[in-house]
Amino acid sequence: SQQGEEDPQALSIQEGENATMNCSYKTSINNLQWYRQNSGRGLVHLILIRSNEREKHSGRLRVTLDTSKKSSSLLITASRAADTASYFCATGMDTGRRALTFGSGTRLQVQP
Amino acid sequence: EPEVTQTPSHQVTQMGQEVILRCVPISNHLYFYWYRQILGQKVEFLVSFYNNEISEKSEIFDDQFSVERPDGSNFTLKIRSTKLEDSAMYFCASSFKLAGGPGTDTQYFGPGTRLTVL
Repeated sequence: SQQGEEDPQALSIQEGENATMNCSYKTSINNLQWYRQNSGRGLVHLILIRSNEREKHSGRLRVTLDTSKKSSSLLITASRAADTASYFCATGMDTGRRALTFGSGTRLQVQP
Repeated sequence: EPEVTQTPSHQVTQMGQEVILRCVPISNHLYFYWYRQILGQKVEFLVSFYNNEISEKSEIFDDQFSVERPDGSNFTLKIRSTKLEDSAMYFCASSFKLAGGPGTDTQYFGPGTRLTVL
């Protein structure tokens, strides 16, 4: 798979349920960031986790990072209809470069 | 809360024409970026800019593209002679740099400019 690949590609859940999205990458990273994009709109930064961190929380969001498996997960707890969006992981390399490499995204649909 | 702004929100142009996309980064940020997203595809990095010069660029950022910071607030992307395949959403982003220290990694994105080349 390419750098920053999310799975599943699409996820449909009921309001109140938890949503888990996964991201895998191939090269060494400095950080991994999760973004949300509502249809046709801009990218909203959700959370950044550094390569020396294993877990991070922000409100209803929980992100984990396993550098040995080169994978990350984003958990949204108690989902709401307003969480319906595409979610992307983006990796920042450890080579001093600042360019982010984005995955293909997971389209989350939360049914009211 | 400060945010990145972009104008116009939608630009339609004829193939071969020049376009300039404009961005106003967050005011105390010093790193600036352009990304693009072709419909249905991944967001792709184009270029990063710091201290009035390009610091990184991708293979996509060829001689047809240029960036400029013409004044203290604007950051522009120029496409010299647009092609059909340049049709995409173009995102500007910025990130902070501590005085005398490293840049922070969180990149804040603008709402995008949808470029349609006919």
